[in-house]
Amino acid sequence: GENVEQHPSTLSVQEGDSAVIKCTYSDSASNYFPWYKQELGKRPQLIIDIRSNVGEKKDQRIAVTLNKTAKHFSLHITETQPEDSAVYFCAASNNFNKFYFGSGTKLNVKP
Amino acid sequence: DSGVTQTPKHLITATGQRVTLRCSPRSGDLSVYWYQQSLDQGLQFLIQYYNGEERAKGNILERFSAQQFPDLHSELNLSSLELGDSALYFCASSWNRGTNTGELFFGEGSRLTVL
Repeated sequence: GENVEQHPSTLSVQEGDSAVIKCTYSDSASNYFPWYKQELGKRPQLIIDIRSNVGEKKDQRIAVTLNKTAKHFSLHITETQPEDSAVYFCAASNNFNKFYFGSGTKLNVKP
Repeated sequence: DSGVTQTPKHLITATGQRVTLRCSPRSGDLSVYWYQQSLDQGLQFLIQYYNGEERAKGNILERFSAQQFPDLHSELNLSSLELGDSALYFCASSWNRGTNTGELFFGEGSRLTVL
């Protein structure tokens, strides 16, 4: 089955700095890669996603890049704010089935 | 509010017991996914149903079973419970009326504590 690895497990940045979280996947059939944000005690929520026919996608301060050849994708958050503090999960899916999640990155944005 | 309803929110039981977790998907969503999240851990994919049929199976133990009913709600049954089964169990839904944007809509989760 699919194996998604995520790094780092924790990330601490100063407010205003950028944060980068990286994921790799193993199944070349995976073609959809979402990122979810989970605030403490709450449910995961989608923040951005990318499909395998696109190399990069941006939404305001958040961007995701995908390298299909290397089987890795990354989340970039610029101008971080304290409200960005949360756990971020990457995931890989084949045609929206079997979403396999990474182990999560706890982001702490220091004011 | 995601539109996905999970009950119960909290459940405390003893080792060896059996519990049932219930999930009602968003209106119109045909697919239900179950995930297990242990303390400070990631989301472990357990199983997926689509319109009443099992579509994909992940790391689900033999002691666990699930089903999706004709009204599309789903139940996850956990039996012969062990201490290590203590976790937050999430249900998510997607495939609204057969089309899919890719987004999983998660419920608030059911927190299971096994003593």
